[in-house]
Amino acid sequence: NAGVTQTPKFQVLKTGQSMTLQCAQDMNHEYMSWYRQDPGMGLRLIHYSVGAGITDQGEVPNGYNVSRSTTEDFPLRLLSAAPSQTSVYFCASSYESGSEQFFGPGTRLTVL
Amino acid sequence: EDKVVQSPLSLVVHEGDTVTLNCSYEVTNFRSLLWYKQEKKAPTFLFMLTSSGIEKKSGRLSSILDKKELFSILNITATQTGDSAIYLCAYDNYGQNFVFGPGTRLSVLP
Repeated sequence: NAGVTQTPKFQVLKTGQSMTLQCAQDMNHEYMSWYRQDPGMGLRLIHYSVGAGITDQGEVPNGYNVSRSTTEDFPLRLLSAAPSQTSVYFCASSYESGSEQFFGPGTRLTVL
Repeated sequence: EDKVVQSPLSLVVHEGDTVTLNCSYEVTNFRSLLWYKQEKKAPTFLFMLTSSGIEKKSGRLSSILDKKELFSILNITATQTGDSAIYLCAYDNYGQNFVFGPGTRLSVLP
C-alpha cells in the first residue's frame, strides 16, 4: 500500500495562475479531505468528500475547487492563485468520517 | 463557534523530563478527540478518545479525556529528542469533519 500520495511536493506559482494539487489513496477509504497549514494556525479544512460524487466545503473553501469522480482521487484546484494561498497543503483520508485520518506528505505552495 | 485551544503553544524541555500538553474544546456536538504528532511532514495518529476517564497508553505516551470539563491531556514521560514535534489535537463534532487546534510545539534538548 502506498497510503496517501500527493503531487507535487513543491510548487511556485505567480499570482493569477491556476493549478491542480493531486491526491490519491489506495486504501479504499470513503472519506477524503484537504487541509492547509499555516504557522500558528494548525490545520484548517478546505473541502472534504464523504464518497465518490459527493463534496462539501470546509472552513476555508474560497479560491479552491474539488471534485471526487473516483474513490481513489481527490484533486484540489486553485482557480486564480493569490499570495494568501501560500501554505502547506495536506490531503487526508479515512475509512469513514470520524475514524483515524491518514495524511499525505504535503505540498508546499508558494504564490509570488 | 466551535473551537479547540491548546496550551502551551510552545515548550522547551530537557531529555528525561515529563511533559503535559493540554487541549480544551468548546463544541456543540462531540463524538471523539484525537491526538496527532507532526514531525517534519505529515501528522501521524497517536490516540482517539471517546469516553471520559479512560486512559490510553502507548509506550511513554498517554492521554485521557474529561468530557464534563471539556479537555484532554497528553502526557509524555522520560522525554527523548525524538519526541520533538508539533502535537495537534482535533475533535470530531459529527459534522463530517475534524476541527484542529493550533498545536503545541515541543522541543526536547539533549
